Amino acid sequence: DVKVTQSSRYLVKRTGEKVFLECVQDMDHENMFWYRQDPGLGLRLIYFSYDVKMKEKGDIPEGYSVSREKKERFSLILESASTNQTSMYLCASSRRGTSYEQYFGPGTRLTVT
Amino acid sequence: GNSVTQMEGPVTLSEEAFLTINCTYTATGYPSLFWYVQYPGEGLQLLLKATKADDKGSNKGFEATYRKETTSFHLEKGSVQVSDSAVYFCAPSTFSGGYNKLIFGAGTRLAVHP
Repeated sequence: DVKVTQSSRYLVKRTGEKVFLECVQDMDHENMFWYRQDPGLGLRLIYFSYDVKMKEKGDIPEGYSVSREKKERFSLILESASTNQTSMYLCASSRRGTSYEQYFGPGTRLTVT
Repeated sequence: GNSVTQMEGPVTLSEEAFLTINCTYTATGYPSLFWYVQYPGEGLQLLLKATKADDKGSNKGFEATYRKETTSFHLEKGSVQVSDSAVYFCAPSTFSGGYNKLIFGAGTRLAVHP
């Protein structure tokens, strides 16, 4: 059974802290994605990666960075967390050539106080 | 660029009622169209898809037809169950910045009562 796991379901951090969100997939997928989900706005793409050490900005990359050192792992980094980054963060992966058929993790609900 | 509009929720139905969730999109070219579903406490999962005009995607009793003339991809189910309670996302594809991506609608929450 395919699986995408995220390091935490719930996270509370303080303004200004550096935050790491980890995502691991066991399907040997080339593509990985980070989205944030906010009520009324749906999912918005933050960053994606189509290969190890490769990254591309999505629609809302400001305030975020990513790291992909291994094929199965894609990390989202909030360099200095702010309250407007309180959100649900979803990681997804897909096979090369089928980037639309994405498999999602359960999400991390991040609260920045 | 491409965009998507889906009906606002929540949609509240009794078990065995007929469901329609409307979705319209704007696009250049001919996008592929997808419905994703998010059950409580879980990530999204692909429900169905259609890749060209007049295609009908179907899965778990849900159906949606790619209507190019009306740029719509409405989700339907003839008889909903309590277990269908979830948030449904319409997602057309787009090619932007040299890459294939999905654009997700705002989501429509469905609540089905016994």
